[in-house]
Amino acid sequence: DAKTTQPPSMDCAEGRAANLPCNHSTISGNEYVYWYRQIHSQGPQYIIHGLKNNETNEMASLIITEDRKSSTLILPHATLRDTAVYYCIVRPATSGTYKYIFGTGTRLKVLA
Amino acid sequence: DVKVTQSSRYLVKRTGEKVFLECVQDMDHENMFWYRQDPGLGLRLIYFSYDVKMKEKGDIPEGYSVSREKKERFSLILESASTNQTSMYLCASSRTGGGDTQYFGPGTRLTVL
Repeated sequence: DAKTTQPPSMDCAEGRAANLPCNHSTISGNEYVYWYRQIHSQGPQYIIHGLKNNETNEMASLIITEDRKSSTLILPHATLRDTAVYYCIVRPATSGTYKYIFGTGTRLKVLA
Repeated sequence: DVKVTQSSRYLVKRTGEKVFLECVQDMDHENMFWYRQDPGLGLRLIYFSYDVKMKEKGDIPEGYSVSREKKERFSLILESASTNQTSMYLCASSRTGGGDTQYFGPGTRLTVL
């Protein structure tokens, strides 16, 4: 079972920031938060991950609350190409061959 | 840039045929995975491999086998394709170590008639 809860869908205006929330209230101290997205009929694309601190890369920013029970993925200037299903995953830091469990994700629609 | 490629994006086969799905990664990753993705069921792990010639069953290995003769290549074999194996098949790879990210290929949409 997925250990995360996400809203099923969200809309965002093109050019605005898209803020996608994720609840992971049972997260353990050694578990990372990962975000992927999947554009229709393609494989999941890695976006970003974090453990405790906020993270930023060329695609997005990840804000993790201090108690680590929730996080928010931020796409700073959403474009039509960001329309996709976004998945939030928690997984152990020590792994090797960890089986990814994707929940139902959030279907983000970026509107022109 | 990390790269995982799959031999076909779309494949149509007949019931009873033997089907080979190939996956290649260019990142020198130790671990490789085969998942299938179906609406409402999410991703399900079929098999994974942590080294050349090594393999482990995932959650749904029945009807499938795998082969890993070289580090960069992981093949999924459907011994006798059936209609319930119609699905999107996703390959992924990762290095061994803490926090290893899995990188996915573009997927193969297989239809078995």
